[in-house]
Amino acid sequence: DTGVSQNPRHKITKRGQNVTFRCDPISEHNRLYWYRQTLGQGPEFLTYFQNEAQLEKSRLLSDRFSAERPKGSFSTLEIQRTEQGDSAMYLCASSGDNLEEKLFFGSGTQLSVL
Amino acid sequence: AQSVTQLDSQVPVFEEAPVELRCNYSSSVSVYLFWYVQYPNQGLQLLLKYLSGSTLVESINGFEAEFNKSQTSFHLRKPSVHISDTAEYFCAVSKNAGGTSYGKLTFGQGTILTVHP
Repeated sequence: DTGVSQNPRHKITKRGQNVTFRCDPISEHNRLYWYRQTLGQGPEFLTYFQNEAQLEKSRLLSDRFSAERPKGSFSTLEIQRTEQGDSAMYLCASSGDNLEEKLFFGSGTQLSVL
Repeated sequence: AQSVTQLDSQVPVFEEAPVELRCNYSSSVSVYLFWYVQYPNQGLQLLLKYLSGSTLVESINGFEAEFNKSQTSFHLRKPSVHISDTAEYFCAVSKNAGGTSYGKLTFGQGTILTVHP
């Protein structure tokens, strides 16, 4: 297994455009997390999936943000009508079902909104 | 809610010197504690964690951290650093409430450790 994969690595877009990121977790992992990291800060939790069910969403996740995980495999994070404040690194992580299993993070997608 | 404060944004040290990266947390409930490391151009990796039991936890590459409940701290230490330890280090907590809360981490701002020859 090659770990958690995120695509694209970089995305540059104009304000107002929609963007979608993809995360492929480690194949046997049922839990999937999205985090956002801005420059000089630690990652911030956005949302969490157990299989295909989205179980928790942060207040940081405005209604312009939507995440899906069809069939409990890969996940997508879509941002509609992007704003300059959305510029950040978007990180995906996955873990197994056992309590206290560690998270494996992907390398992230760097979004720049011009 | 939980919060994490890493007291130093940057720590420069010379090779083979000891280092301590400081982390304090705030929480109204019991927490799990973690240190993650991010090497240049790589994803975050778990370095070590405290879940329960012995308050001193160690990593495979010589780092250790001690959970101090009275001071709400989880400082990371290494007695002798190497050039390869140059990275950004993040302290994180999650609620000790079992199940789904485990992976919902609250991170500190990060500390950039730079080891000079």
